[in-house]
Formats: sequence, structure tokens, C-alpha cells
Amino acid sequence: DAKTTQPPSMDCAEGRAANLPCNHSTISGNEYVYWYRQIHSQGPQYIIHGLKNNETNEMASLIITEDRKSSTLILPHATLRDTAVYYCIVRVAYGEKLTFGTGTRLTIIP
Amino acid sequence: DTAVSQTPKYLVTQMGNDKSIKCEQNLGHDTMYWYKQDSKKFLKIMFSYNNKELIINETVPNRFSPKSPDKAHLNLHINSLELGDSAVYFCASSPAGTSTYEQYFGPGTRLTVT
Repeated sequence: DAKTTQPPSMDCAEGRAANLPCNHSTISGNEYVYWYRQIHSQGPQYIIHGLKNNETNEMASLIITEDRKSSTLILPHATLRDTAVYYCIVRVAYGEKLTFGTGTRLTIIP
Repeated sequence: DTAVSQTPKYLVTQMGNDKSIKCEQNLGHDTMYWYKQDSKKFLKIMFSYNNKELIINETVPNRFSPKSPDKAHLNLHINSLELGDSAVYFCASSPAGTSTYEQYFGPGTRLTVT
């Protein structure tokens, strides 16, 4: 699975959009981009995934650049409960394991 | 209803003891996993089972032995516990047979070895 690079920490004001970047310049054509988050002391939680098209669900939006070398997770209206460590993971479609990096610690500020 | 549950939530034990952590999922998933999160918060895969069959074993010491009595359960038995085994252990599950799928994680078991 390709390696990802994320900023170690970010702050965002409550109610604003949180934009979390991820670099995956060595991604291969059959690898998907997944985002998970881990709220303090809880198990990781799936957020969203995509291959090359932008994706949106009830939690977030995922924007993948045309060359697929980077992506951005967008939480449109961040709340205090969105404070967590966010992990960007690339994985082949049928890959069995998730390889977690160090993630981005997002702090939502009241 | 809890999707992926683990017991116990906390486990404190002494070096050299043998302990087990249990995991159950009620999602009807075919694949289950054990992950370990150490004190530096790195989260790493340990094992993966698909329909009771071991498919991933990530260079975990032989003291760790997963057991899957049925596809809804994946237990982790640890022999001769060492200080370095102190960590949070997460169980997860996912469906199989689709091209992409997310994993659902349990709440974790915090193991402390003294």
C-alpha cells in the first residue's frame, strides 16, 4: 500500500469547514483513498473513501486531485465532536488490512 | 445494538500471566481483525480471519494466538505476558465479496501489564 503524508495537527473554528490534506504521490491506479478518524479512546471510525471522483456522504466530502497524488477531506460544518485524529489511508480494492500512519490531530475550537 | 463488542474493556495483569480478550460482531461480516495501538498511538494490524480461516499474521510473536470459533467471534489469547504487550487492542470486522469496504472497529481493550 502506498505511503501517505499528513500534517501532524490542525485547528479549526467550530462551525467552519475543516479541510484536511493528504499527500499520496506514490498511489497506484488500483488503490483507493480511505479516511478514518479516531476520537479519543475510541475505535477508529470509517468516514469516506474514493478512487478518482470526488465523493460526498453524510459525514464529509472527499476531493481527489486529477493526478490522484493528493486529496482533501472536508468536514463542512465542524463541531466540537469532530475533534479527533484523522487518518488518510491508501489501499488496493481487495486489500485486507488498513495501514495507519500518524494521522492529523484536528482540534475544533469553540 | 453494539456492532463490534470487546470484553473486557480494561485488563490489568502481571508479567508472565496468560489472558484472553474476546470479540464479537453482530454485523454478519465474514472478516475479522485484531489491531494493536501502542503507547505512541501507532495502530497496527496483527491478524485477520476470513470465515474462521487465518489470512493475515503480521509478524506477531507466537505468544499471541487468535481463535475464531465461528465467523462472528475472534478471540485473542496471549501467553506469558510481557511489559511490551501493554497497549490498546482493537477488534474490527468487514464484509467480504465487494470491491471496497470499510472496517468497523470495536471500542478497544486496554491491556496493562505490570
